[in-house]
Amino acid sequence: GENVEQHPSTLSVQEGDSAVIKCTYSDSASNYFPWYKQELGKGPQLIIDIRSNVGEKKDQRIAVTLNKTAKHFSLHITETQPEDSAVYFCAASTSGFLNTNAGKSTFGDGTTLTVKP
Amino acid sequence: GAGVSQSPRYKVTKRGQDVALRCDPISGHVSLYWYRQALGQGPEFLTYFNYEAQQDKSGLPNDRFSAERPEGSISTLTIQRTEQRDSAMYRCASSLGGRYGSGANVLTFGAGSRLTVL
Repeated sequence: GENVEQHPSTLSVQEGDSAVIKCTYSDSASNYFPWYKQELGKGPQLIIDIRSNVGEKKDQRIAVTLNKTAKHFSLHITETQPEDSAVYFCAASTSGFLNTNAGKSTFGDGTTLTVKP
Repeated sequence: GAGVSQSPRYKVTKRGQDVALRCDPISGHVSLYWYRQALGQGPEFLTYFNYEAQQDKSGLPNDRFSAERPEGSISTLTIQRTEQRDSAMYRCASSLGGRYGSGANVLTFGAGSRLTVL
């Protein structure tokens, strides 16, 4: 089955700096890669995603890059703010024929990001 | 509803008791997923439904775990004869599902049910 590894497990940055979180996956059939932000006491919330036919996607201060050949994808947060502090999870899934099992995702173990004011 | 609702938020039970965890997905969402999240780890897939049909239960740890979604909306995850190792956060997620388009992948998670087995 799919295996997703996420690094680093903890990351501390100064407000205004950039943060980068990296994930690798093992199953070349994976074609959908979401990133989730989980705040204390809440469920994971999707912040950005990328599909295998795209190499990069950006949404304001957040960007995700995908290297299918190397089987890795990364989350980039620029101009970090204290409210970006949370646990971030990457995940990988495969949309089969007719979207079968599209939401069956394998998650990384998370990165705890702390943004110091 | 506006989001995915799970109940109870917290459940403490004694070893050997049965527990039932409930999930009310976003209205109109076809697909419903159950995940389990241990402390310090990412969610781990348990099972999923399209409408009322259980499509994949490969992640259920053993036959003490079962799930149903009889009317294609609310789902119940039942754990029989609970053991201490069952202690975890159980999360439900729903998605638009459907055979076409990108909505099938996008999961909205609930706040979870934290189960503690003494």
